Amino acid sequence: RKEVEQDPGPFNVPEGATVAFNCTYSNSASQSFFWYRQDCRKEPKLLMSVYSSGNEDGRFTAQLNRASQYISLLIRDSKLSDSATYLCVVILSGGSYIPTFGRGTSLIVHP
Amino acid sequence: DGGITQSPKYLFRKEGQNVTLSCEQNLNHDAMYWYRQDPGQGLRLIYYSQIVNDFQKGDIAEGYSVSREKKESFPLTVTSAQKNPTAFYLCASSIGSRVELFFGEGSRLTVL
Repeated sequence: RKEVEQDPGPFNVPEGATVAFNCTYSNSASQSFFWYRQDCRKEPKLLMSVYSSGNEDGRFTAQLNRASQYISLLIRDSKLSDSATYLCVVILSGGSYIPTFGRGTSLIVHP
Repeated sequence: DGGITQSPKYLFRKEGQNVTLSCEQNLNHDAMYWYRQDPGQGLRLIYYSQIVNDFQKGDIAEGYSVSREKKESFPLTVTSAQKNPTAFYLCASSIGSRVELFFGEGSRLTVL
């Protein structure tokens, strides 16, 4: 089983739609969680950290479910500019705290 | 402006040649990382360094080498031993463990 798993998609949604992605992780002692956005042929950029209590930034909401070992990203009122690949990142405990990336979920927002 | 600078942005090399990718940061971050990304794939960790003069192998270190002689710099050498070096290479840094990474713009290496 991979340490961090994401549905690669693509998720194809119309403008204005609400879309949600999940990311599951295998290590129950994982410490920190993040969502990154990556545009085609560009570097990943931090979208938001994921806190235990959940957090919201404008149209984006991130949740952590430790019991089921997954994090989620909800995008409301999708814009064309939201089209990108969304990577989840988990920092695993165990001494080295190395960030591990999921393969990413591709989102395409169409008019 | 603080940030991470990778160079070159694009690089072509012939088989059998070593090539060194530069990564410099002025964020005063302790930890630095090298990832490789292949088309349609996630990021795979090559090497990481959490402190000057120390570095560790990641998941796919074979055929690569690094050094960390200065806090700001973490160059990656792709050696001729790397069987399939054509890829997008990303350098990242973080202020410590358990916190977010910041990335350079990447270096795209093509082996001819």
